[in-house]
Parts: sequence; structure tokens; C-alpha cells
Amino acid sequence: EPEVTQTPSHQVTQMGQEVILRCVPISNHLYFYWYRQILGQKVEFLVSFYNNEISEKSEIFDDQFSVERPDGSNFTLKIRSTKLEDSAMYFCASTMTEIEAFFGQGTRLTVV
Amino acid sequence: EDQVTQSPEALRLQEGESSSLNCSYTVSGLRGLFWYRQDPGKGPEFLFTLYSAGEEKEKERLKATLTKKESFLHITAPKPEDSATYLCAVQAGNFNKFYFGSGTKLNVKP
Repeated sequence: EPEVTQTPSHQVTQMGQEVILRCVPISNHLYFYWYRQILGQKVEFLVSFYNNEISEKSEIFDDQFSVERPDGSNFTLKIRSTKLEDSAMYFCASTMTEIEAFFGQGTRLTVV
Repeated sequence: EDQVTQSPEALRLQEGESSSLNCSYTVSGLRGLFWYRQDPGKGPEFLFTLYSAGEEKEKERLKATLTKKESFLHITAPKPEDSATYLCAVQAGNFNKFYFGSGTKLNVKP
């Protein structure tokens, strides 16, 4: 069964460092997303990506964040100058239009 | 402002005790309503998509229904392995994002 895969499963980084979270969406999907979930809180939308560009982003997704689809399979989220409050689970998702979105298992980011 | 509200926040059931979870939404241009199951430390696991009022979907002990303002996830004769947080999400307006509710944490005791 096709699935969205994310790596690493857990990333610990020093405050101020840059991290790259990686995702391999389902191969025939067209829309890609990043969400985050701070411990005990709601899943929050960060950004959506379609046709090699950002289609929508939330107020959380400021200049500290960027996304890229460097090749035909990977979709990455880069977080620059990480802060303690960036600690969260980050989920990648992909979907075809009008078909259910599938989420990866997440990357737990811990900023120390 | 578009909103998704789930109730109750937490639900404790005895094994075999059926119940329902609620997801109410106020969004314009609903494209789909999704139910997910989330286990601790894991990503949301897709359960159902509902597209129009009156639609119902079933999977094992779970049945999801949709009206114009809310959706219910009915759990019939739950088992301890059904314990998880159940998330509701809606896709509205365009395909660009999903709005999630805060979830219902279900605990089924043997």
C-alpha cells in the first residue's frame, strides 16, 4: 500500500541551527503539505505546495521556513535559526484532488 | 472564520459500550470531511472521507455520517485497541489546506 514516508523520525538540534525535514509523498499525488503539532495541541497547517510552488501558507510559515521539491520524489521543509518553540511533530501529507490526504508518521523535532 | 470543533475532548468507555463522537464545522465551500485516528507519537491515520450531507461510511466498528453542519463517528461495541485520538478535518474552498479539530481522546477499558 502506498504511503508517505518521512525522515528522520526524530531530530534533535541546537537552538539557532538549521534543520531539513524530508518527505517522500505518494508518487502520483499532486498536492503536498506540511503540518505541525506542538505537544498536546491541534494539528496546524503550515504550507501547501502544488505545481512546484507554494499555493498557500499560514502565518506560522514566515521567512524562517522554506519548502522545496528538489527532484521528482522528495519534498523538504527547511527551518532556519531554530527556536525552542519550533519543537513539535512535523507531518508531511500528500493528496490527489478530491481524494483523501495521507499523512506520514511525522518527524519529532526537539530544539535544545 | 472557518472552524472545526470536536466534542467531547475526552471519552472513556467500557469495552462493548457504544458511543458517538461529534465534529461540527463552519466552513464555506466544503469539499470533504475527513476522519483520522492518531496514536501517541504517530501521524494521523486516514479512516474516512465524506463529501456530501447524508453520506455514510463504515469500517469495522466505526461508522461516519455527515450532515450540513456536523459529522458523527459512531463506535459500536468498542475494544481497547480502539483507544486513540480521533481527529476530524475539513477541506474547504480549495485543495490547499485542511482545517483540523482538536480531537477526541478515546479510552476504552476492558
